[in-house]
Amino acid sequence: GAVVSQHPSWVICKSGTSVKIECRSLDFQATTMFWYRQFPKQSLMLMATSNEGSKATYEQGVEKDKFLINHASLTLSTLTVTSAHPEDSSFYICSAGNPTGSNQPQHFGDGTRLSIL
Amino acid sequence: AQKVTQAQTEISVVEKEDVTLDCVYETRDTTYYLFWYKQPPSGELVFLIRRNSFDEQNEISGRYSWNFQKSTSSFNFTITASQVVDSAVYFCALTVLLTGGGNKLTFGTGTQLKVEL
Repeated sequence: GAVVSQHPSWVICKSGTSVKIECRSLDFQATTMFWYRQFPKQSLMLMATSNEGSKATYEQGVEKDKFLINHASLTLSTLTVTSAHPEDSSFYICSAGNPTGSNQPQHFGDGTRLSIL
Repeated sequence: AQKVTQAQTEISVVEKEDVTLDCVYETRDTTYYLFWYKQPPSGELVFLIRRNSFDEQNEISGRYSWNFQKSTSSFNFTITASQVVDSAVYFCALTVLLTGGGNKLTFGTGTQLKVEL
């Protein structure tokens, strides 16, 4: 069964709206989670590293004020796309590792398709 | 910095053919992990394999097999007797030294595999 849950799976909203995406680790506590973005027919690009109890670490070129990340607990990280515009339309996917399972792979959520009209 | 190259953008085969997906990586780290993920049209990432840099043994899992060669920095993936259900985008990915909280992945650009009847 899924070990990382991502919600919602699909969002369609008007330009200017803020959208929150949740990523939950179901069976383990994740001090670190990762947010990726994937444009159609392209690869996954890391946006930021979400750190529980501290500020997120953003990759170069990612606007921290536009993509707000909150990792308030060991099982939940949220990504908020603020004042979304059509160019923010993309597939967003989160991942988490299991601190106690060093031989386990990085687990991914099922992703969120964001469409801004 | 790490880099993963998947030179094959798209491959089309007829069912029951064998197909090999190429992956070449670059890293200066001596300890690293390589992954293969499958992404069907629905979008989720399906974990296929993880291999660490100290284990060059080839691996076989059913119709899937992987050939890891450090000398050529390659981690190729072969599907034997391909099936229509194998149609998907396949990503090769790299991370260096998994920590307890998981680690960010560098993805290749993916190979779209189409298996036709």
